[in-house]
Amino acid sequence: DMKVTQMPRYLIKRMGENVLLECGQDMSHETMYWYRQDPGLGLQLIYISYDVDSNSEGDIPKGYRVSRKKREHFSLILDSAKTNQTSVYFCATGGPGVNERLFFGHGTKLSVL
Amino acid sequence: SQLAEENPWALSVHEGESVTVNCSYKTSITALQWYRQKSGEGPAQLILIRSNEREKRNGRLRATLDTSSQSSSLSITATRCEDTAVYFCATDADTGNYKYVFGAGTRLKVIA
Repeated sequence: DMKVTQMPRYLIKRMGENVLLECGQDMSHETMYWYRQDPGLGLQLIYISYDVDSNSEGDIPKGYRVSRKKREHFSLILDSAKTNQTSVYFCATGGPGVNERLFFGHGTKLSVL
Repeated sequence: SQLAEENPWALSVHEGESVTVNCSYKTSITALQWYRQKSGEGPAQLILIRSNEREKRNGRLRATLDTSSQSSSLSITATRCEDTAVYFCATDADTGNYKYVFGAGTRLKVIA
């Protein structure tokens, strides 16, 4: 069963706290993505990972970093979160290895107060 | 400015009617994808149409691509209430880096 799992589903943090969003996949896809979605702005690409320790910035990487130490796991880290990082974050896998189709998780709704 | 943009922003139709969503993009592409996102879920791919294709079908869905005008359309026939969702187009900007750019989406409501 093809699955992209994001944890947690909901998260509330205070400004200045560190945030760790985790994503797992069971499809052995090389490529993984982190997007954020804000009302009216669609999906914005934060980072893309082409495989373990092979990460590349997307369109809005500022304030974020990523870690991929295993193919099936991709983390998004916010060091000292800001209120403007309140958003819904989506992890996705796929891309070139599966006819360019992206498989998305259910998202993590992050509120930074 | 966004590299991909859907229009209209929102629309509603009655169940059984047909509807078309449009997408315009600003770069050359190797492929364009259409995704649907239902409330509380992540987007799910509907159709991928490559730059050398003009039309692609998937059940009640039909996508067209016009590379000369850098536009695409997604048509849904015999709409159902469960088609209520946000519809996105996504392009790869022909860079070979698989960094897919999504538009802001069209919000479709199908009324019973």
